[in-house]
Amino acid sequence: AQSVTQLGSHVSVSEGALVLLRCNYSSSVPPYLFWYVQYPNQGLQLLLKYTSAATLVKGINGFEAEFKKSETSFHLTKPSAHMSDAAEYFCAVSTWAQKLVFGQGTRLTINP
Amino acid sequence: DTEVTQTPKHLVMGMTNKKSLKCEQHMGHRAMYWYKQKAKKPPELMFVYSYEKLSINESVPSRFSPECPNSSLLNLHLHALQPEDSALYLCASRGTGGAENEQFFGPGTRLTVL
Repeated sequence: AQSVTQLGSHVSVSEGALVLLRCNYSSSVPPYLFWYVQYPNQGLQLLLKYTSAATLVKGINGFEAEFKKSETSFHLTKPSAHMSDAAEYFCAVSTWAQKLVFGQGTRLTINP
Repeated sequence: DTEVTQTPKHLVMGMTNKKSLKCEQHMGHRAMYWYKQKAKKPPELMFVYSYEKLSINESVPSRFSPECPNSSLLNLHLHALQPEDSALYLCASRGTGGAENEQFFGPGTRLTVL
């Protein structure tokens, strides 16, 4: 069965600092991986996705993620945090049954 | 039109009420999903419709009744809910072509059961 683990339920960084949100996956087949962002009282918005075309994936709002098969990881990064990046972030893997399996989420707080 | 819409945005209902949530997309997607999300938790899958037929029911109580009248519309009928059913209900549709593994989410309906 496919699964996702997000390390750290809460990450706090200063404005302008590097953002690193960790995601490890488990999958017996080549995975499709996603990062979604959720602002308070809103739905989920896709930040970026990995679909085996390129290991370094660039997304919206300056975020990017690198797929590392050897480490079964798909960590999300942004070089310089902005106050507007404060939100909940979910890593997810798509299963063969076309279901999304989500990690538990990481709440990102940005300190001024 | 590249979005999933959901109505109402907020809903408050008593335990004896009957209400419905509505979800609509005009992107030509043929699979649509209902999720339930409690605070500080990831979304939990409830139902999947594929080509207007129910393909997955994640053992959801019968007080939740989904309906897919056509390929653009998905409803969730609610009856005799419990206070623990209070949550954000999210609808999503699955993309086609190069986005076939991607789900597009609506803004959600915030449901409160009194």
